[in-house]
Amino acid sequence: GAGVSQSPSNKVTEKGKDVELRCDPISGHTALYWYRQRLGQGLEFLIYFQGNSAPDKSGLPSDRFSAERTGESVSTLTIQRTQQEDSAVYLCASSWTDNQPQHFGDGTRLSIL
Amino acid sequence: GESVGLHLPTLSVQEGDNSIINCAYSNSASDYFIWYKQESGKGPQFIIDIRSNMDKRQGQRVTVLLNKTVKHLSLQIAATQPGDSAVYFCAEMPGGKLIFGQGTELSVKP
Repeated sequence: GAGVSQSPSNKVTEKGKDVELRCDPISGHTALYWYRQRLGQGLEFLIYFQGNSAPDKSGLPSDRFSAERTGESVSTLTIQRTQQEDSAVYLCASSWTDNQPQHFGDGTRLSIL
Repeated sequence: GESVGLHLPTLSVQEGDNSIINCAYSNSASDYFIWYKQESGKGPQFIIDIRSNMDKRQGQRVTVLLNKTVKHLSLQIAATQPGDSAVYFCAEMPGGKLIFGQGTELSVKP
């Protein structure tokens, strides 16, 4: 299985807690993306990593959201002091480089109680 | 702001018929477009892409058409099958990140 892997697949937490979501991209892919998908809606861009360049954080909705990536491997998306409006599916994608097809994982379904 | 929108939110077709899903985009700088299929509980699955130097691209049972003059994309699925039932998204890439439309739900009647 050489696809994009995300964990956990489901996460339920209480409002105010911090959560950390993990993404393992396809080996060799230099570009990695995080998106948010609310129920019945399209995907909303959050952040994008390309190689060693500074990440494009223009889609992060607030300073409670942050993401890191170590080299060209695993990425973690952290949401601090979660709010109910953070409930959504968080999707990760990777590609060989930018301007190439992005391949998605199956997402983490986050529910904030 | 930038947006990619779909003309029809739902489409119901008979098995064996051809399906056409339409999409309008707004960013003239976009030079790369992708169609994705998303089944319930899964991430989007790449179907076909097209770059702005092309008008048409064909895959297995799918064809994408690009009209840059009116900023319009379409996805044609030939001989639609029950397994094609899903939500279809078009996405444009005006540099790096993808901008997605809201999606069209395709329902195939047996």
